[in-house]
Amino acid sequence: GAGVSQSPRYKVAKRGQDVALRCDPISGHVSLFWYQQALGQGPEFLTYFQNEAQLDKSGLPSDRFFAERPEGSVSTLKIQRTQQEDSAVYLCASSLDLLGELFFGEGSRLTVL
Amino acid sequence: SQQGEEDPQALSIQEGENATMNCSYKTSINNLQWYRQNSGRGLVHLILIRSNEREKHSGRLRVTLDTSKKSSSLLITASRAADTASYFCATAPTGGGNKLTFGTGTQLKVEL
Repeated sequence: GAGVSQSPRYKVAKRGQDVALRCDPISGHVSLFWYQQALGQGPEFLTYFQNEAQLDKSGLPSDRFFAERPEGSVSTLKIQRTQQEDSAVYLCASSLDLLGELFFGEGSRLTVL
Repeated sequence: SQQGEEDPQALSIQEGENATMNCSYKTSINNLQWYRQNSGRGLVHLILIRSNEREKHSGRLRVTLDTSKKSSSLLITASRAADTASYFCATAPTGGGNKLTFGTGTQLKVEL
């Protein structure tokens, strides 16, 4: 596709449920990033892939968060046993190389009740 | 945690006026980027300035960078109602690739 595609755009989960958020980056983009954005705040880094390798996961808030990019293209962010504080917009971005602009998707808004 | 702060947090101006937003950051950087976010949407890249550059222009945008003060400014000239959005600065750390750290953002409202 022409841009970064994320699904679902909106997800409502009951506390304790597992959720999976998908990101389809721009074709050929090497780097893929996941960010978390709370209401009224800037995006906060979660994790980063270069091709299929997860190079940095220092921003993942707990071991309930897990991300993968098994074939170096589509990525999935999984949150297990969701908590209310996980409610946020999860943004995926990709970039062509190691230095330069990021192309963002529209985000997945997660609401945990 | 957020790298830097933006100032002001919110800015309201009339169409045709100029808008200036400031960003401060804390660590050594390779480049600094500005992004725009419309309500409920993803971020869109506006401009990138490298650490060895002091000023850069793109259309109605002008960005300055002062690495000695660890600060940057974004100027939007002749603003339009369509410029209404949140604007974020983001820094790429030295040796850190493009793992960007975002500021807190400035909400700009341009009124007719």
